[in-house]
Amino acid sequence: SQQGEEDPQALSIQEGENATMNCSYKTSINNLQWYRQNSGRGLVHLILIRSNEREKHSGRLRVTLDTSKKSSSLLITASRAADTASYFCATDAGQAGTALIFGKGTTLSVSS
Amino acid sequence: DAGVIQSPRHEVTEMGQEVTLRCKPISGHDYLFWYRQTMMRGLELLIYFNNNVPIDDSGMPEDRFSAKMPNASFSTLKIQPSEPRDSAVYFCASSSMGGAGEQFFGPGTRLTVL
Repeated sequence: SQQGEEDPQALSIQEGENATMNCSYKTSINNLQWYRQNSGRGLVHLILIRSNEREKHSGRLRVTLDTSKKSSSLLITASRAADTASYFCATDAGQAGTALIFGKGTTLSVSS
Repeated sequence: DAGVIQSPRHEVTEMGQEVTLRCKPISGHDYLFWYRQTMMRGLELLIYFNNNVPIDDSGMPEDRFSAKMPNASFSTLKIQPSEPRDSAVYFCASSSMGGAGEQFFGPGTRLTVL
C-alpha cells in the first residue's frame, strides 16, 4: 500500500516560476526522501529530511516536513526546462533498516 | 563507480516464456531492492535483501515470481511463466542503509510480454 501520496498529480509551469509539490503519509517515520525520475530513466535521490528536522535546502530545492500533519513539501525555485520530470516522496514507515515506500509521484512539466 | 547495473535494458517475450532480469548493485551496498513500475500502480516494492538474505518478499505478486541473491554482487528476478500483465519497468536499487538512507537506482528493464 502507498505510504506517501503526492499532490498534485501533474503540474505545468513556465521557466523561472517556482514549483511546489506536496506529500502526505500515514504512519510515523524516521526520515522522508524525495526522488526525481526523468522519462525512461531510474530514480535519482534529491534530498533526505529526518523526522527531527523541519526544513532542508539543497541548491534550488527546499524541503519542509511537518510531522504533526504527516506532510512534506518540495519547492523548486526558478525552475528550468531540465526540471521536467516526475517527483516522488518516499518514507521508511518508521522502522530502521526497512525498505522505502514510494508515492505515485507528481509529474512536473516546465516549458520555456 | 558504474552505479547499479541492470540487464537486459529491454526484453520482449511471449506469454508463457521464462524471463530473467539481472542486477549488479553498487559495491559495498548491503541492501538490494527490486521494484516494478506501471502507470496504474506506480512504483511497487517486490522484494528486498540485506546481506544477500531476503528480508521481505510480501510484494512479490505470486509464485510465478522469484528472486535470488547468490552473492553480494549479483541478483536475479525471474518470472516463470510470464503473462501480459507482467509488462512493466523493473528497477533494481541498492543502498548501504536500508530505509535510513539514499537508494541508488539502476536504469531499469522494460519488459513487454506479448
